[in-house]
Amino acid sequence: KNQVEQSPQSLIILEGKNCTLQCNYTVSPFSNLRWYKQDTGRGPVSLTIMTFSENTKSNGRYTATLDADTKQSSLHITASQLSDSASYICVVSGEDAGNMLTFGGGTRLMVKP
Amino acid sequence: GAVVSQHPSWVICKSGTSVKIECRSLDFQATTMFWYRQFPKQSLMLMATSNEGSKATYEQGVEKDKFLINHASLTLSTLTVTSAHPEDSSFYICSARDRGYTDTQYFGPGTRLTVL
Repeated sequence: KNQVEQSPQSLIILEGKNCTLQCNYTVSPFSNLRWYKQDTGRGPVSLTIMTFSENTKSNGRYTATLDADTKQSSLHITASQLSDSASYICVVSGEDAGNMLTFGGGTRLMVKP
Repeated sequence: GAVVSQHPSWVICKSGTSVKIECRSLDFQATTMFWYRQFPKQSLMLMATSNEGSKATYEQGVEKDKFLINHASLTLSTLTVTSAHPEDSSFYICSARDRGYTDTQYFGPGTRLTVL
């Protein structure tokens, strides 16, 4: 069964600090992995997308890593800002006919001043 | 990036009434759109896959007669919640699939449904 597990479930950090969110998956065959940011009451917005051959991808203060061998990914946020408070969702796409997405449960990040 | 819109952004209705939610891909054609439901503090749950010109494919446990999906054009899919009940209150999000080289799904901003 395809699964995506994220940790921690929630995280509180002080403004300006860095943090790392984790994602483990069992989706096979693997197509790509995306990190989304979802603000409360809004739809998810894509931060990064990585295919099998990519092991790191940056988008401003967001840096995602992928280890396809261990089936792990991380999202590192540098110099956090209050606006980073949101849910971060790891989504893995399988290389099946439908390229269906498997969603992680998300990590709720709160950045405090 | 590609833009997906939803309308309305929020709706409040009485129990027993039907509510239609629209999902539009604004700058690309989407042969496939997806409808998700999200309860508070939970991740998105796929309800159904909407294919242009054919019947939608529903996930297990989702009542197709209650959640009517119509994908009449390459840029529009609609979800109608029929005979809504308070337990249908949720955040409904659509996504549209852009079959470019990254085969990416772009999400709409969501529709908050509250059934009184």
